Amino acid sequence: KQEVTQIPAALSVPEGENLVLNCSFTDSAIYNLQWFRQDPGKGLTSLLLIQSSQREQTSGRLNASLDKSSGRSTLYIAASQPGDSATYLCAVTSSGSARQLTFGSGTQLTVLP
Amino acid sequence: DTGVSQNPRHKITKRGQNVTFRCDPISEHNRLYWYRQTLGQGPEFLTYFQNEAQLEKSRLLSDRFSAERPKGSFSTLEIQRTEQGDSAMYLCASSLAPPLAFKGYTFGSGTRLTVV
Repeated sequence: KQEVTQIPAALSVPEGENLVLNCSFTDSAIYNLQWFRQDPGKGLTSLLLIQSSQREQTSGRLNASLDKSSGRSTLYIAASQPGDSATYLCAVTSSGSARQLTFGSGTQLTVLP
Repeated sequence: DTGVSQNPRHKITKRGQNVTFRCDPISEHNRLYWYRQTLGQGPEFLTYFQNEAQLEKSRLLSDRFSAERPKGSFSTLEIQRTEQGDSAMYLCASSLAPPLAFKGYTFGSGTRLTVV
């Protein structure tokens, strides 16, 4: 059974800092990995999708990497802003035909002005 | 296309009542997923449809839960005889099924259920 772990559970940084969020998964047989952002009481916004054959994806100040063999992914946020404050969720797509997502519990990020 | 739409946004119900939620996916997406998220946790898979067929159900989906997707368009999730433990955010997501070009999952804003 796939398990996804995110460390740290919470992180508080001053505005302008670069930061890294970590995600690990137990079964390396994945199709892809997706990072989402969730604001309090809201749904999920997709940030980056990395296919299993890819090593990284970039979008603006965000960069996500994937090391499938070691079961790890990182989300790098450059020059953090207070508007980046949210919970960041990592999810992997299982190898079964359903292709459902298995999520971590998230990292709650607070960027202080 | 306005993305994945879920209604209602919030629902407060008394224990023992039945509730129904609706999800309208992105029109060209043939897969539709339901997830449940409790406070401080990531979403957990409940069930999914490919077109109108319900192909997989999680063990989390007890017999009080039923989902439908008539005509392969919108979907409904019904919970009968609600319990306080059903209080959660119910999220709907849609995607294209392989081997079509996969561009990730698009989630709706969710329905927040509170059972009192």
